[in-house]
Amino acid sequence: QKEVEQNSGPLSVPEGAIASLNCTYSDRGSQSFFWYRQYSGKSPELIMFIYSNGDKEDGRFTAQLNKASQYVSLLIRDSQPSDSATYLCAVNVRGRYSTLTFGKGTMLLVSP
Amino acid sequence: EAGVAQSPRYKIIEKRQSVAFWCNPISGHATLYWYQQILGQGPKLLIQFQNNGVVDDSQLPKDRFSAERLKGVDSTLKIQPAKLEDSAVYLCASSLVEQGAGDEQFFGPGTRLTVL
Repeated sequence: QKEVEQNSGPLSVPEGAIASLNCTYSDRGSQSFFWYRQYSGKSPELIMFIYSNGDKEDGRFTAQLNKASQYVSLLIRDSQPSDSATYLCAVNVRGRYSTLTFGKGTMLLVSP
Repeated sequence: EAGVAQSPRYKIIEKRQSVAFWCNPISGHATLYWYQQILGQGPKLLIQFQNNGVVDDSQLPKDRFSAERLKGVDSTLKIQPAKLEDSAVYLCASSLVEQGAGDEQFFGPGTRLTVL
């Protein structure tokens, strides 16, 4: 059974702080991991993807992957009120026609 | 570059009625996905097409849902008859090839369905 678990939140942080969003997954065959941002009433948009253990940085965003612990996280540095959204973690089990399984998402609220 | 187009944006129907949604993916994208997103949940894949062939429909309630992508371009998703629990946003997404190689899925604006 493929499962992706996220704390639904809301996670509240002050402006300028680091927001840490976490995700665990159950399928050890999962090989690629994605973070999507979804504003209220809008469709998801991709922020980052990661395949290898360790960290991957892109601007204010850092994705961290630990396959042994089946854990992936997203750090947002210098959080801004515009970062307030729901963050969806998605995993992909490699195969010829592998698909994405999404978590329920974590709502992030950044207060000015 | 035009994004993924979906119509209608909103639909309200009575239970047991039928409804159809349309999606036009980004030009050249081989893979098309239909997701169902219930309020407070993440998107759930209903069906995935690779060109005009179905590659995953394991979570599609086939007794009431159907989808087609006849010419490998645009797609329709139909619900017949609708139930109250089908109230959700139906998202269409497309990707150039197969997700899993850093190939981004681009989502359309979605169709918000309310079943009364």
